Amino acid sequence: AQSVTQPDIHITVSEGASLELRCNYSYGATPYLFWYVQSPGQGLQLLLKYFSGDTLVQGIKGFEAEFKRSQSSFNLRKPSVHWSDAAEYFCAVGVGAGGTSYGKLTFGQGTILTVHP
Amino acid sequence: DVKVTQSSRYLVKRTGEKVFLECVQDMDHENMFWYRQDPGLGLRLIYFSYDVKMKEKGDIPEGYSVSREKKERFSLILESASTNQTSMYLCASRNPGPQETQYFGPGTRLLVL
Repeated sequence: AQSVTQPDIHITVSEGASLELRCNYSYGATPYLFWYVQSPGQGLQLLLKYFSGDTLVQGIKGFEAEFKRSQSSFNLRKPSVHWSDAAEYFCAVGVGAGGTSYGKLTFGQGTILTVHP
Repeated sequence: DVKVTQSSRYLVKRTGEKVFLECVQDMDHENMFWYRQDPGLGLRLIYFSYDVKMKEKGDIPEGYSVSREKKERFSLILESASTNQTSMYLCASRNPGPQETQYFGPGTRLLVL
């Protein structure tokens, strides 16, 4: 079965600093990988996703993520954090490549990002 | 824009009550999902539906059931609410296909006393 680990429960950065959120996955086949963000009291919003091709993917709000198969990682990065980026971030892996997968996602535990002014 | 709505943002129920959580999507999506979200555990899949009247158990279906009579509506039912079902419940929908995105509703925070 697939699994996702986000090793950092809580990260604090200063506004303007760079950010990297870690995500490690376990899955036997080619993974479909996602990063979602959840602002307080809100649902989840997709930041970016990876299916194939270029291993560096760009997302919304200035985020990017790099897929590294050799390390089973899909880390999220942002060069300069804004106070509005404070939220909880979830990494997820999608199951299967066929139509019967129904797109089930397995989520990591989440990383809470605090931004200091 | 895709819109997924959930009938309540906050609910307070008593132990033993039957609880209905409703989810509606407006994009004609075939697949719909119910998750629960708990601190430190991320999101865990309760049930999903790949078409009208079709459903499959997710990772934690015990104590829950679902209903999907119409394509746009997916209901989560707690037959007899218990305190360990106090949680945030999130609904999502998507089109079929492995590369399709799941779109989430705002969540329902349920407190069972």
